[in-house]
Amino acid sequence: SQQGEEDPQALSIQEGENATMNCSYKTSINNLQWYRQNSGRGLVHLILIRSNEREKHSGRLRVTLDTSKKSSSLLITASRAADTASYFCATDATGRRALTFGSGTRLQVQP
Amino acid sequence: DTGVSQNPRHKITKRGQNVTFRCDPISEHNRLYWYRQTLGQGPEFLTYFQNEAQLEKSRLLSDRFSAERPKGSFSTLEIQRTEQGDSAMYLCASSLAGQGLVGNTIYFGEGSWLTVV
Repeated sequence: SQQGEEDPQALSIQEGENATMNCSYKTSINNLQWYRQNSGRGLVHLILIRSNEREKHSGRLRVTLDTSKKSSSLLITASRAADTASYFCATDATGRRALTFGSGTRLQVQP
Repeated sequence: DTGVSQNPRHKITKRGQNVTFRCDPISEHNRLYWYRQTLGQGPEFLTYFQNEAQLEKSRLLSDRFSAERPKGSFSTLEIQRTEQGDSAMYLCASSLAGQGLVGNTIYFGEGSWLTVV
């Protein structure tokens, strides 16, 4: 079963615009991570945010975490065509060592 | 290349045949994971090893599936008597635990695509 649910399932924007993806989860977590997957490829780790953090930045990425609402958001600023991919949130739940992934947001950035 | 390596990358097999996938993790990583992913879905956890010990198995891992990690290095995932529903991408990942790193960042291979016809 998948703990996280991303919203929206699909997103299409123009190059230069910002893309925001949301993730909701169900159980207590140690941390939450975002991964990216190009079509037919493996997943690549983007960023990790701990349960006691509220916001984190990495380059053009900004992640927020609201543990009271059990939700996170990933913002990609000034998007590029190369950002076209699926984005997944993954939770490191308390008491488990395996990450649980959401169903993903498919981002299309039009040049 | 020092990343996670999986082979074969693609496998087409007839229903009822057995298939085996191999994963070579990043060399110093002590944890190894297998996930399964179908089109349009996120990866689903199958099983996880710490060194050579298989510590967790998902209910998705039926008795037709077996995974091993002899000597805590590479791992194999075998599917016996394949069914069409087994068609998916099988992803291997590895991580390093106990280094004081925050969180459990895992590094994925490129996956092995299985098509059962």
